Amino acid sequence: DAGVIQSPRHEVTEMGQEVTLRCKPISGHNSLFWYRQTMMRGLELLIYFNNNVPIDDSGMPEDRFSAKMPNASFSTLKIQPSEPRDSAVYFCASRYRGVPGNTIYFGEGSWLTVV
Amino acid sequence: GEDVEQSLFLSVREGDSSVINCTYTDSSSTYLYWYKQEPGAGLQLLTYIFSNMDMKQDQRLTVLLNKKDKHLSLRIADTQTGDSAIYFCAESLRSGGGADGLTFGKGTHLIIQP
Repeated sequence: DAGVIQSPRHEVTEMGQEVTLRCKPISGHNSLFWYRQTMMRGLELLIYFNNNVPIDDSGMPEDRFSAKMPNASFSTLKIQPSEPRDSAVYFCASRYRGVPGNTIYFGEGSWLTVV
Repeated sequence: GEDVEQSLFLSVREGDSSVINCTYTDSSSTYLYWYKQEPGAGLQLLTYIFSNMDMKQDQRLTVLLNKKDKHLSLRIADTQTGDSAIYFCAESLRSGGGADGLTFGKGTHLIIQP
């Protein structure tokens, strides 16, 4: 089975530009998570969805960040306008809610650099 | 609130056992996890333990849970150079029907000496 698929894998952009990160969860999974990883703060949960509905976005840093999940197989995380402090690795993850273990499976990450 | 603490670094000799420790604060945690992250890659689930268990073994990996002290450990037997990575401890707070995201520690860098 294909795992969680993220794109782009790497992006370098200029401050002020819009950045869109994309995620395809594992087929059949019904929860999707966006995490951000930095050296200083470690892994932070930004937002998660159950059955395509946003449940908790309290981790989203500010209004410049937005996330959508228009259907069960696709989600986007958008940053507009981007700033250098947004440079980080952004992970998408998914799971099937309710099975023993509630295991979350991660994508390979999108490595964002804002200059 | 929830907080997961780990040491930042652990250095061991190849062939020795590695023991990575983790403490957590929320006694209602139902599942605890160990993930591994290699350079430039995502997080890979190694193993998890349900909170009513004390120990779980899977080949070279042994997880010990001390619920009273809120302490979790991961032992890797016969550590190899391929085990060099960052190891994350994580907790999940809800039982089966819940879907809260995991809370992660900052990760322990496992360094293997030849």
